[in-house]
Amino acid sequence: EVRLEESGGGLVQPGGSLRLSCATSGINFNNYWMGWVRQAPGKGLEWVANMHHDGSQRYYVDSVRGRFTISRDNAQNSLFLQMNSLRVEDTAIYYCTSFWSGYFDNWGQGTLVAVSS
Amino acid sequence: EIVLTQSPATLSLSPGERATLSCRASQSVSNFLAWYQHKPGQAPRLLFYDASNRATGIPARFSGSGSGTDFTLTISSLEPEDFAVYYCQHRGNWPPLTFGGGTKVEIK
Repeated sequence: EVRLEESGGGLVQPGGSLRLSCATSGINFNNYWMGWVRQAPGKGLEWVANMHHDGSQRYYVDSVRGRFTISRDNAQNSLFLQMNSLRVEDTAIYYCTSFWSGYFDNWGQGTLVAVSS
Repeated sequence: EIVLTQSPATLSLSPGERATLSCRASQSVSNFLAWYQHKPGQAPRLLFYDASNRATGIPARFSGSGSGTDFTLTISSLEPEDFAVYYCQHRGNWPPLTFGGGTKVEIK
């Protein structure tokens, strides 16, 4: 059974930082691109970042580039998202995803990030 | 950047009825399009990839079709568990990866 479980969300003030984690099992993590997708309140899905399995390629949506960093620990089958300089508009549920052939084939349940003063 | 436009925004139907959802791309994406189902409080689920390839475990009442700029997701006979929001997503020339705005299928 494939499991992706996010953690690390919470309430943070504008300008603050959070680090999201995603623990995975049931997938061949070392050979998978991984990514993060978010959903702001009342909005649709938005891709945030993706990372190649060996770390050689990382891509970000324009609105987070320079503020967010995606990383992974293949030994621990874990994915991370370091979020700095958070803005109110970053408020969303953040989903950890595996990424195969250009599509998001497995998803976690999500973790809520709320940016508010 | 390719923009995906989904219609209608909301589809009000009864169980047993046929649902037809549309996704239109601002330029050709060949067949590089996926469909996802998303229920409140749950993880989104991949339904179709490359326009018409059914993902693992997806019931046969779901079908995906189209190529180029026009794509359709059809649910032949709605079951109670099918009421959800459906998104399309393309994978051509990424980044960025983009989703359509979604179609909510609600109970009439």
